[in-house]
Amino acid sequence: QSALTQPASVSGSPGQSITISCTGTSSDVGSYNLVSWYQQHPGKAPKLMIYEGSKRPSGVSNRFSGSKSGNTASLTISGLQAEDEADYYCCSYAGSSTFEGVVFGGGTKLTVL
Amino acid sequence: EVQLVESGGGLVQPGGSLRLSCAASGFTFSSYWMHWVRQAPGKGLVWVSRINSDGSSTSYADSVKGRFTISRDNAKNTLYLQMNSLRAEDTAVYYCARDRSGSPGRWWGQGTLVTVSS
Repeated sequence: QSALTQPASVSGSPGQSITISCTGTSSDVGSYNLVSWYQQHPGKAPKLMIYEGSKRPSGVSNRFSGSKSGNTASLTISGLQAEDEADYYCCSYAGSSTFEGVVFGGGTKLTVL
Repeated sequence: EVQLVESGGGLVQPGGSLRLSCAASGFTFSSYWMHWVRQAPGKGLVWVSRINSDGSSTSYADSVKGRFTISRDNAKNTLYLQMNSLRAEDTAVYYCARDRSGSPGRWWGQGTLVTVSS
């Protein structure tokens, strides 16, 4: 099972919007609407920001949104704030004749300028 | 309040074994799939394994298949990860997480550090 592909880093200024992509295959992102996104600050456990592609858990700001097109999922953060600076990971359920489980992306470091 | 508390990490020699535990509280443990996810120092998250609610179905990453075994005791509200034939590349913080739609969800433990070194 190959990891999902994310850009290593993205950056934006306060108030701007940024988008992080997450590219998989037809065995994971492309076949299931089961992509999750996590935010992780240094030394902390990951925090779920988006699940099932576009749903937000209670308490997560509506500045965070998720979408998917084909084999690529995306996380958009609007109105960037300093506290959004963190690592972001995508994750998808994956199922094929040879593997059934979960795959993560390599992570994207978001810098708020 | 949902809580997941991992324990059992530590220093182990290459080829050795370790069993991690994850004590769950604040929810009906027996109703949820559970996952183990690890993170090597300075690296990204990597999914390790998952188990269904009654323990009858498990799945593993290729990197640990045949060496690690996930299990659970629903009477004790505890998830386990038995790790055998440990390698240096297994060094990581290991997190347990409650499932949401087939992937780790909102609730994660604080992690337990496993160091494989001679």
